[in-house]
Amino acid sequence: GAGVSQSPSNKVTEKGKDVELRCDPISGHTALYWYRQSLGQGLEFLIYFQGNSAPDKSGLPSDRFSAERTGGSVSTLTIQRTQQEDSAVYLCASSLAHTSGIYEQYFGPGTRLTVT
Amino acid sequence: DAKTTQPPSMDCAEGRAANLPCNHSTISGNEYVYWYRQIHSQGPQYIIHGLKNNETNEMASLIITEDRKSSTLILPHATLRDTAVYYCIVRVNNDMRFGAGTRLTVKP
Repeated sequence: GAGVSQSPSNKVTEKGKDVELRCDPISGHTALYWYRQSLGQGLEFLIYFQGNSAPDKSGLPSDRFSAERTGGSVSTLTIQRTQQEDSAVYLCASSLAHTSGIYEQYFGPGTRLTVT
Repeated sequence: DAKTTQPPSMDCAEGRAANLPCNHSTISGNEYVYWYRQIHSQGPQYIIHGLKNNETNEMASLIITEDRKSSTLILPHATLRDTAVYYCIVRVNNDMRFGAGTRLTVKP
C-alpha cells in the first residue's frame, strides 16, 4: 500500500521567505509527527498530532514554525521568515492511534529545505 | 534529552552477527525500547521494539537485560545493505526522541 508521502522533495528558498511543507500520512493513521534532521545530525522532534489536535508542540524551535492538520489526514508545516539555520531535511511520520504507545512510526522520504 | 546512550560507530564483517548496545539506565517501568535505522538519504525504518522480554522478528533480535537498563540489537547475519545509523529509543506515548545513534558499517 501507499506509504507516507511528502512534498516537495526539495525546496530552495531565499532567507526571509515563507515555506510550506506537506505530509500525506498512511490512510487510517491518526497520529502524525514532524521531525527535522540537520546534516549529519540525529532527528529532532518538532510536533505531534493526534487527529487534528496537537497535544505536544514542545519541539517547535521558534514561533516562526507552525503546523496544522485538517480532516485528520494531510498536515502542513509552515516556516515563516526562513533563516539559514532552518536548512535541514524535514521528516514526517505517521502511526496508528496513539494510545498505549506501542505503535511503530512509518516515515516519509523527507523534504530537503535549503535556505540561501 | 534522548535518554539513551549508544556508541557513535561500529564495524561488522559481512555475514557475521552485528551486536549494537544501548544504555538506558533511567528507563521507567512503562517505557518501551524501540530500534529504528536510517539508511543514507532515506527516512528512518522501524526494526523492533520490546518492554521486558526478548523479542525476535524477521529483521533482528532484541535482548533486554533483566534490570532493563540496557539492551542489545542483534542482526544475525549482517549484509552490506545493513550499513546504516541505528537508533535506540525509549518511549512512552508520543515522546519519541532520537539520539545520535550508532553508525554501523558492514564491511565485505
